[in-house]
Amino acid sequence: DAKTTQPPSMDCAEGRAANLPCNHSTISGNEYVYWYRQIHSQGPQYIIHGLKNNETNEMASLIITEDRKSSTLILPHATLRDTAVYYCIVRVAQGGSEKLVFGKGTKLTVNP
Amino acid sequence: NAGVTQTPKFRVLKTGQSMTLLCAQDMNHEYMYWYRQDPGMGLRLIHYSVGEGTTAKGEVPDGYNVSRLKKQNFLLGLESAAPSQTSVYFCASSYPPGTGLWQYFGPGTRLTVT
Repeated sequence: DAKTTQPPSMDCAEGRAANLPCNHSTISGNEYVYWYRQIHSQGPQYIIHGLKNNETNEMASLIITEDRKSSTLILPHATLRDTAVYYCIVRVAQGGSEKLVFGKGTKLTVNP
Repeated sequence: NAGVTQTPKFRVLKTGQSMTLLCAQDMNHEYMYWYRQDPGMGLRLIHYSVGEGTTAKGEVPDGYNVSRLKKQNFLLGLESAAPSQTSVYFCASSYPPGTGLWQYFGPGTRLTVT
């Protein structure tokens, strides 16, 4: 199973872009990168996912390097409500079913 | 759409007691999951189900049992609660994996075993 490595914590100023890195050097060719976040005490929330092309939605952008060994989640204009733990996950497939394995994530603190 | 709901929201048990946590989803999802979250540990998968009547073990299944008698419900049981099972439990559901697999999570159940 491909594992991910994220910094344990990051800070960002309100209104600035938050760039959250993730390393996944053992990712397989058919594995996707997913990002979730968990705001304090709430259930995790899906943000975005991608295979090899860059992706953008209303919440964030996902930049995946050409060799797919790392990616960056970008929150273009961080707000205080974006303070959360962000999880980078690589999809694994075992026995015909698929499940997500969560690591410890990056705690992002957006400061006023 | 209520999404994913969990019952109860909070519970305190004594060691050795039993209880069942209920997860319900109204999105007609095939897949359902139970996770636990402990401080500094991230989320760990306990059990999951790929359809009505089927269940499978996750990373940390010991001490728990599950049942999926109806597509919309996924039950997590603790037969004899232990203090090590003090945790926050999250249920999630999703469509079958295709080009993507993202899960919708419930609000959590905070369980304390004394």
